[in-house]
Amino acid sequence: AQSVTQPDIHITVSEGASLELRCNYSYGATPYLFWYVQSPGQGLQLLLKYFSGDTLVQGIKGFEAEFKRSQSSFNLRKPSVHWSDAAEYFCAVGADSWGKLQFGAGTQVVVTP
Amino acid sequence: DAGVIQSPRHEVTEMGQEVTLRCKPISGHNSLFWYRQTMMRGLELLIYFNNNVPIDDSGMPEDRFSAKMPNASFSTLKIQPSEPRDSAVYFCASSFSGDQETQYFGPGTRLLVL
Repeated sequence: AQSVTQPDIHITVSEGASLELRCNYSYGATPYLFWYVQSPGQGLQLLLKYFSGDTLVQGIKGFEAEFKRSQSSFNLRKPSVHWSDAAEYFCAVGADSWGKLQFGAGTQVVVTP
Repeated sequence: DAGVIQSPRHEVTEMGQEVTLRCKPISGHNSLFWYRQTMMRGLELLIYFNNNVPIDDSGMPEDRFSAKMPNASFSTLKIQPSEPRDSAVYFCASSFSGDQETQYFGPGTRLLVL
């Protein structure tokens, strides 16, 4: 069965500093991988996705993620965070042919001045 | 384009009452997903539909929960009778067949059962 692990429940980062969120997955075939962001009181919004091809994927809001098959990882990065990046971030993997997603537990990001 | 629409946005009810949550997916989308989010359990998939047909309801917590999708533009999630432990934020999401895994989420319904 597919699974997604986000090892960091909570991360605090200074505004302007770089950010990296970790995601590890367990999946038998080439996975479809996603990062979603949830701002306080909002629904989830897609940041980026990987289906195939170039393993470095660019997303919205200046985020990027790199697929590393050898490490079963899909880590999310941003070179310089803004206060508006404070949110919860979810990694997800496609779980069936109907569009079902398996979500990780999420990583809460706090941005300090 | 209108996104996924959920109503009501907030619901406060008393234990034992029936609660109905509504969702209008994005026009042209043929998959619809219901999620529940709590601090304790995180984001849980309850049920999902494809072309109005339920595909997997294994996440529905118990028989008090039911969901329907009578047509492509409307779905309901009903809890009867409601209990305090059902308090959560309920999200609806939709996707279309050309990119089924990319789900678009609604703003959620925050439910409080007293």
